[in-house]
Amino acid sequence: AQTVTQSQPEMSVQEAETVTLSCTYDTSESDYYLFWYKQPPSRQMILVIRQEAYKQQNATENRFSVNFQKAAKSFSLKISDSQLGDAAMYFCAYRSADGNQFYFGTGTSLTVIP
Amino acid sequence: EAQVTQNPRYLITVTGKKLTVTCSQNMNHEYMSWYRQDPGLGLRQIYYSMNVEVTDKGDVPEGYKVSRKEKRNFPLILESPSPNQTSLYFCASSLSSGGYTEAFFGQGTRLTVV
Repeated sequence: AQTVTQSQPEMSVQEAETVTLSCTYDTSESDYYLFWYKQPPSRQMILVIRQEAYKQQNATENRFSVNFQKAAKSFSLKISDSQLGDAAMYFCAYRSADGNQFYFGTGTSLTVIP
Repeated sequence: EAQVTQNPRYLITVTGKKLTVTCSQNMNHEYMSWYRQDPGLGLRQIYYSMNVEVTDKGDVPEGYKVSRKEKRNFPLILESPSPNQTSLYFCASSLSSGGYTEAFFGQGTRLTVV
């Protein structure tokens, strides 16, 4: 089974600053998909950004961007201009090439300081 | 409104008493799956279904059953719940099992087994 590792259980950032959340994964597959999900206190899982492994270009969604390093099996999330509403638990996730299996990291709790 | 609906949201039960957590989606999605979320462990996949009558085990299937008799419904059955199944459960669906397709999550079911 694939493993996804988030080594930062907690992070904090000042409002309007930039923060980077780390994620590494282990796989023998060459094709797969990577995701970042946000879970606010409401418990709802919200897709933040996604990346296809065969694409070298890093995905970007407004203030959110990723640094995807396939050889290093690294998939970090950068949040720019942090806002109070960004405070949440963030999960990195790996989806297998056939799409059937999902593996999640243990999460990083992000605090945004006003 | 497109959504994944889980019921109940909260449930307290006793050891050994069979229970079912329902999951329904109104998006005509082929793929559905169940996860449990535990502190420090992230989300772990229990079962998934690629289509009607097609299901398979995820990472942690022991103690759980599922069925997919209709496309929209994917109930999770605990035949004889035990305290170690106390957890937060999520159902999710996506248009297909294609890896890039977005997974939509339900609101979660907080289960306590005493």
